[in-house]
Amino acid sequence: GAVVSQHPSWVICKSGTSVKIECRSLDFQATTMFWYRQFPKQSLMLMATSNEGSKATYEQGVEKDKFLINHASLTLSTLTVTSAHPEDSSFYICSAKRTANYGYTFGSGTRLTVV
Amino acid sequence: AQKVTQAQTEISVVEKEDVTLDCVYETRDTTYYLFWYKQPPSGELVFLIRRNSFDEQNEISGRYSWNFQKSTSSFNFTITASQVVDSAVYFCALNLLYGGATNKLIFGTGTLLAVQP
Repeated sequence: GAVVSQHPSWVICKSGTSVKIECRSLDFQATTMFWYRQFPKQSLMLMATSNEGSKATYEQGVEKDKFLINHASLTLSTLTVTSAHPEDSSFYICSAKRTANYGYTFGSGTRLTVV
Repeated sequence: AQKVTQAQTEISVVEKEDVTLDCVYETRDTTYYLFWYKQPPSGELVFLIRRNSFDEQNEISGRYSWNFQKSTSSFNFTITASQVVDSAVYFCALNLLYGGATNKLIFGTGTLLAVQP
């Protein structure tokens, strides 16, 4: 079945540094990738949508200069949290939209802790 | 606007009890998909079911069953004879078939199910 590999699964970084999270679709082409963040005991909040080869569309309230999204190929999308601060600590999940049968496949998530 | 409401924040049951998780959605579109996902403590989202708006047939998969009623805009999920391994957060989600370039999933707030042994 369709698999999205998300790395790293967890990361601890110092305040002020940048962190890159990768999502790769292993056996299908993901024309659209969605990035979510989830705070403890809360729902998934969509941060941005990216289509391969074009700029990401950010949801209202999400700083595009802070959360850089790159979707350079049909199998790879990255989210970079720049100048991370403790309030950016959260669970980040990617989701790839499959072109074939209108399904969504989620990565396993990345737990980011900024100290 | 589209919205998904899961009014039950937390549910606690004892093993072998049946439990129903409620989901109510709002959309003016006539063509859409509804989903249920399970999120265990490890965090990954596990796909359970997808149902399109033209198919109101109820579905059963093992101990899981889903009741889709367009008249009440509900897509409820029942677990029969619950087990401890069913303990997780369950999300209901909505997606418009013609949602445009984004086709994003709109999630409910989730229901935390705790199954006690």
